[in-house]
Amino acid sequence: GNSVTQMEGPVTLSEEAFLTINCTYTATGYPSLFWYVQYPGEGLQLLLKATKADDKGSNKGFEATYRKETTSFHLEKGSVQVSDSAVYFCARVSGGYNKLIFGAGTRLAVHP
Amino acid sequence: DTAVSQTPKYLVTQMGNDKSIKCEQNLGHDTMYWYKQDSKKFLKIMFSYNNKELIINETVPNRFSPKSPDKAHLNLHINSLELGDSAVYFCASSPGTNKETQYFGPGTRLLVL
Repeated sequence: GNSVTQMEGPVTLSEEAFLTINCTYTATGYPSLFWYVQYPGEGLQLLLKATKADDKGSNKGFEATYRKETTSFHLEKGSVQVSDSAVYFCARVSGGYNKLIFGAGTRLAVHP
Repeated sequence: DTAVSQTPKYLVTQMGNDKSIKCEQNLGHDTMYWYKQDSKKFLKIMFSYNNKELIINETVPNRFSPKSPDKAHLNLHINSLELGDSAVYFCASSPGTNKETQYFGPGTRLLVL
């Protein structure tokens, strides 16, 4: 089927720690992949995206590489800040009408 | 400047009532969407319109009726509200339908009592 699976949260880290949030997808073909972030009380913002295999999306120190061999799009950041505390959603496009399928979201809490 | 805006931001109402949520985008996009986020933060698409035509209609009770008077607006009307309709409803837009980034509104928090 068409789905997106994210690691369960919450993820709790100290400031400046390394972050990985795992995301895998199932699909026929190579859909565009996205990471969205939702800060408390706000809507979703695009964090980064990749539209084809081996592409690397990056923004604000976050990176994710589109790996077709492992059907994964893991989110990484070398040094997290308190301000990165939010819920992170992995998503893929499904079908011909740009429908987004979201993972369940992973809550990140960063402590000073 | 607000790109995708929604009104109201909060909506508290009684079961059985009818309510509407409005969405407007000033990005010049052709495609707009409604998503529902439940209490566990799970996000699911409900509807999408492209140039005022309905193109995505997920398995949603027919108490929910979207309307797009023009490309910049997509409203959601809900009849006979039920407790399970309590959620955050997000509007989004994209330039078109070809694997494009969607831009989300701030959400409307609906609580049905």
